[in-house]
Amino acid sequence: GAGVSQSPSNKVTEKGKDVELRCDPISGHTALYWYRQSLGQGLEFLIYFQGNSAPDKSGLPSDRFSAERTGGSVSTLTIQRTQQEDSAVYLCASSNTGGGVTDTQYFGPGTRLTVL
Amino acid sequence: GENVEQHPSTLSVQEGDSAVIKCTYSDSASNYFPWYKQELGKRPQLIIDIRSNVGEKKDQRIAVTLNKTAKHFSLHITETQPEDSAVYFCAAPRQDTGRRALTFGSGTRLQVQP
Repeated sequence: GAGVSQSPSNKVTEKGKDVELRCDPISGHTALYWYRQSLGQGLEFLIYFQGNSAPDKSGLPSDRFSAERTGGSVSTLTIQRTQQEDSAVYLCASSNTGGGVTDTQYFGPGTRLTVL
Repeated sequence: GENVEQHPSTLSVQEGDSAVIKCTYSDSASNYFPWYKQELGKRPQLIIDIRSNVGEKKDQRIAVTLNKTAKHFSLHITETQPEDSAVYFCAAPRQDTGRRALTFGSGTRLQVQP
């Protein structure tokens, strides 16, 4: 079946502008995650959605970052008033969360954000 | 929260040799340890994972070992091939997300010389 998809694949914006990044998880997956990967670095957790529950926002670096997930499926990550340090690849992942164990996360191709 | 340390940061081996990458973690309650491979410009892909009820898991040329007492786990690649060249990341569950989201190591760049 189709994997996790993200759009756009690349986004170039000017400092101070707002951007929206989209993630389509694997159909039927109840959990969705956003991570950020700066150049040559590891993956940094941002936010986690499980079903219709309130998201876990503990990884968001500032209040300029927010995310929503509509209908338990598609998610949008919004960065307001972008800064140059926001430049990174934003990766989305989804998993079919069962009970009590950590489930395999499948990643999308990412959105490369460049803030000029 | 969970802290994951990964070593080495770079590793160069000759084709056919073995490669070993090691990770340590801090949360003794962690119960799931995946390894991801990321080729240049591509998404991370799961290559193997281990859960805390086993000490070793093998899949063809790839194996992962887990030592819960010492809180470390390792990735072993035997008979390396040039297509194994990539960045490898270990991970462990984050306590602050009910052990759902992952904390990743800093990555190991593996270069297999033909």
